Amino acid sequence: DAGITQSPRYKITETGRQVTLMCHQTWSHSYMFWYRQDLGHGLRLIYYSAAADITDKGEVPDGYVVSRSKTENFPLTLESATRSQTSVYFCASSEWTSGGDFGPGTRLTVL
Amino acid sequence: GQQLNQSPQSMFIQEGEDVSMNCTSSSIFNTWLWYKQDPGEGPVLLIALYKAGELTSNGRLTAQFGITRKDSFLNISASIPSDVGIYFCAGQGTSGTYKYIFGTGTRLKVLA
Repeated sequence: DAGITQSPRYKITETGRQVTLMCHQTWSHSYMFWYRQDLGHGLRLIYYSAAADITDKGEVPDGYVVSRSKTENFPLTLESATRSQTSVYFCASSEWTSGGDFGPGTRLTVL
Repeated sequence: GQQLNQSPQSMFIQEGEDVSMNCTSSSIFNTWLWYKQDPGEGPVLLIALYKAGELTSNGRLTAQFGITRKDSFLNISASIPSDVGIYFCAGQGTSGTYKYIFGTGTRLKVLA
């Protein structure tokens, strides 16, 4: 199916564990983004990428790592999860000015 | 850094009423976007604006790119219950970056 998918949709983990959230898009969009959404903060950019092997930090990158070895995939890794990283995570993809197409989100709970 | 102020934060309206919301920035943007988010879903792009003064419609929705390039407006005419959700504005700055800054959202509730 064409579009942007995220997995898992729900994840519960414990403090200190490593967690990887997956994002896959089928449009061959150049740009991909990771956002977190928290009550009262709207959507905040974590990391973004202009192409394979090109990534850059957004507003709130601390505690997160990304990679983009293939254009269609943009995984987000929490190296050592903390309670403050409990959030809903959205992946998006776009061309330069077309606006982002968002995935369905991953709801992450860190105990 | 750049910030977007979105207002109102929330609003209750009667079905059939028109709705207006806006977004203001401390700096100039090249592109304004308006999204809607339903509960448990990702945001969906409603309207994209690329030029100062531009007025664009999508069904009952109309959005405008402010002349100063520091603001944008979204109007919904004749609201219906399915308009319920959170509306976000997003702007792309002039620094050559391709990232978007999002507002904190306007939560709309429609009373039948």
